Amino acid sequence: RKEVEQDPGPFNVPEGATVAFNCTYSNSASQSFFWYRQDCRKEPKLLMSVYSSGNEDGRFTAQLNRASQYISLLIRDSKLSDSATYLCVVPAEGITDSWGKLQFGAGTQVVVTP
Amino acid sequence: DTEVTQTPKHLVMGMTNKKSLKCEQHMGHRAMYWYKQKAKKPPELMFVYSYEKLSINESVPSRFSPECPNSSLLNLHLHALQPEDSALYLCASSQEASDYNEQFFGPGTRLTVL
Repeated sequence: RKEVEQDPGPFNVPEGATVAFNCTYSNSASQSFFWYRQDCRKEPKLLMSVYSSGNEDGRFTAQLNRASQYISLLIRDSKLSDSATYLCVVPAEGITDSWGKLQFGAGTQVVVTP
Repeated sequence: DTEVTQTPKHLVMGMTNKKSLKCEQHMGHRAMYWYKQKAKKPPELMFVYSYEKLSINESVPSRFSPECPNSSLLNLHLHALQPEDSALYLCASSQEASDYNEQFFGPGTRLTVL
């Protein structure tokens, strides 16, 4: 099993609609999770950090399900500018010398259409 | 200010050239990272520096040589690269090299090896 798995999409979403997608992870000991968005040919930008059961920031909600080892991202009232690849990021499994090492999912592409 | 800067933005080099990529952050972060990203793939970790000491080397070929002159600067020296090394090279920083600290990325250097 890959350490972090995501549905690559694309998720085609009408403007104003809601979209949600999941990320499964193998590191059952992880206490932190991150969602980044990456636009084409740009750097990843931090969207949200999750340290407990979930987090909400405006139209974006992340929910963590530890029992099933997945984290979801929900985008409400989608805007054209939300079109991007969303990367799920989880600390790598291991001991102290792995600190700072993150595992990136392959990303979920979201395309918001007018 | 969550800014990480990288120079140059673009670099084209031959297989016999020696060049350096530079990264700078003024957020007081004590961990800095180099990643390599190929098209349509997630970033791959190359090196982690924690308190100016190399803490993780992900079995990167010796033609890539990192250097951390001080807590704000990170360099990546390139020598005798191969065409398959063409990629986007991303620098990131975080408060500490910890599973809990978010990493902030610079805009990257797009490298082409001829």
